[in-house]
Amino acid sequence: EAAVTQSPRNKVTVTGGNVTLSCRQTNSHNYMYWYRQDTGHGLRLIHYSYGAGNLQIGDVPDGYKATRTTQEDFFLLLELASPSQTSLYFCASSLLWGPSAEQFFGPGTRLTVL
Amino acid sequence: GEQVEQRPPHLSVPEGDSAVIICTYTDSATAYFYWYKQEPGAGLQLLMSVFSNVDRKEEQGLTVLLNKKDKQLSLNLTAAHPGDSAVYFCAVSGGSNYKLTFGKGTLLTVTP
Repeated sequence: EAAVTQSPRNKVTVTGGNVTLSCRQTNSHNYMYWYRQDTGHGLRLIHYSYGAGNLQIGDVPDGYKATRTTQEDFFLLLELASPSQTSLYFCASSLLWGPSAEQFFGPGTRLTVL
Repeated sequence: GEQVEQRPPHLSVPEGDSAVIICTYTDSATAYFYWYKQEPGAGLQLLMSVFSNVDRKEEQGLTVLLNKKDKQLSLNLTAAHPGDSAVYFCAVSGGSNYKLTFGKGTLLTVTP
């Protein structure tokens, strides 16, 4: 089964702070995704990538950067964190792209911006 | 773009009863449908996926029904038990784009 890990699991920062969320998958999946989960919104796609060095914009990208350094590692960067970015962040990976490609999710990172 | 409405947001059933969660979607070209379960402190776990050529799928006490005419997807947990308590999400894909669009989730509580 796909293994997706995230760190840290919890993070508190202040407005204007710089935050990096990390995700690693160990099943040689090509595609990786960053979502945020907010009450009343379900999961929304921030950014995704189909390989090292690639980045695609998702549905709610404003205020976020991302970088895929290797096939295994995908980072989400908040350079000037705002309280509106307080959320639960999930990373996911899939072998293929397309509607039939199963995504495997990490355990999530809870970010609080004060 | 695609929109998914999920209801109810909260559902409480006694152990042994059935629980039904319904999602409606807007894009008639949507082709793939998913149900995920999220337990406290954990990521999303895929329960079942169906392609649009399937009207009904049953697995391990779960039944997914797909009504393409009404653009409605449902998940039925028969004989729910406390271990089924979690947040359930529907997700759809394959319409105008291949990205997953999620419903807002249903918090299911099964009381002993």
